Amino acid sequence: QQPVQSPQAVILREGEDAVINCSSSKALYSVHWYRQKHGEAPVFLMILLKGGEQKGHDKISASFNEKKQQSSLYLTASQLSYSGTYFCGTEDDTDKLIFGTGTRLQVFP
Amino acid sequence: KAGVTQTPRYLIKTRGQQVTLSCSPISGHRSVSWYQQTPGQGLQFLFEYFSETQRNKGNFPGRFSGRQFSNSRSEMNVSTLELGDSALYLCASSLELAGPYNEQFFGPGTRLTVL
Repeated sequence: QQPVQSPQAVILREGEDAVINCSSSKALYSVHWYRQKHGEAPVFLMILLKGGEQKGHDKISASFNEKKQQSSLYLTASQLSYSGTYFCGTEDDTDKLIFGTGTRLQVFP
Repeated sequence: KAGVTQTPRYLIKTRGQQVTLSCSPISGHRSVSWYQQTPGQGLQFLFEYFSETQRNKGNFPGRFSGRQFSNSRSEMNVSTLELGDSALYLCASSLELAGPYNEQFFGPGTRLTVL
């Protein structure tokens, strides 16, 4: 079951904040976040495990609400380098890592 | 440490042909996963191999197959190509099975165009 990401696209000015959401209809064991810059391979950002752990990666953090089967990625004080497509990947009882359709983020000066 | 490598980087084929794509994981990584990426569909999971065994499979027709060798290198084969198979095919490796504790490292992908 492919997770649903929202919004599909975000446009920001440098310094602004953004939130990207990821939700699933199935109980989740973990949520993974990746970023893919144009023409490049996806790059790992973080993994969140059951227990509502909140992880951070520089000014990018995320939360995982296992009861709601949702995760949110928080980008604070965005930089030009944050531009790209963000994918969440969810792991359920099938042991597969299934990715969402992505959220395209563009940061302008 | 060398990253994940995929060959070839670009392929052009015609409908009905078959194609084989190759992926060499990071040294020491035992899991290789394959994904199909098309605009608007995100990363669609094809299959995962671990220790030469297919551990998981996505919802793709039987025309899509793969295998993994004893050195963890993996190949993916698509037979009887269709126009809709045009996509970027990404492979990703991880130390162990892709799961809650293992990040995946992606290769640059193979761009397949079916005419």
